[in-house]
Amino acid sequence: SQTIHQWPATLVQPVGSPLSLECTVEGTSNPNLYWYRQAAGRGLQLLFYSVGIGQISSEVPQNLSASRPQDRQFILSSKKLLLSDSGFYLCAWWGPSNYEQYFGPGTRLTVT
Amino acid sequence: KNEVEQSPQNLTAQEGEFITINCSYSVGISALHWLQQHPGGGIVSLFMLSSGKKKHGRLIATINIQEKHSSLHITASHPRDSAVYICAVYRHISGNMLTFGGGTRLMVKP
Repeated sequence: SQTIHQWPATLVQPVGSPLSLECTVEGTSNPNLYWYRQAAGRGLQLLFYSVGIGQISSEVPQNLSASRPQDRQFILSSKKLLLSDSGFYLCAWWGPSNYEQYFGPGTRLTVT
Repeated sequence: KNEVEQSPQNLTAQEGEFITINCSYSVGISALHWLQQHPGGGIVSLFMLSSGKKKHGRLIATINIQEKHSSLHITASHPRDSAVYICAVYRHISGNMLTFGGGTRLMVKP
């Protein structure tokens, strides 16, 4: 069965510090992968999606970037965090056989 | 106006009540997701619909493609049903990307 991992689970970082969040998927190959953010009290927002290694599409201009160095690895990064980057970050993959998206456990980021 | 609208935004019910959460969308879609987000943040998929009706335990989801509307029903609600319920659609033009509603925060009191 497919499993999606995210780490860390929680993170507190000062403004201006770098960020690296990792997502890995098991049990599938060549998945479509997604990064979402949920700011406090707000809905989910798609940040990036990837259909393959090295292929990244950005939905919203922002202080973040994403990379896909391996088939089942998706990384969200920032060189300098802003207060507005605080939120709950979710990685997801898309199951093409049944149209469903499967979400990771999420990373709660607080920028202080 | 958001492309996916949910109502109500907040809902409080007594244990045992029948609950309905509504989702309306204004774009052409391939399919619609109902998701459940627990207080800790984790999200699970409840249903994927492209037509008709689906039932899983006490949960029922319906979709009317012509009216661009879907409902999620919970029968015999229980405090453990307390969560945020999110409607999301796969738009025709976006392929496999989801557009999300704002969520409905449900609290079921014992």
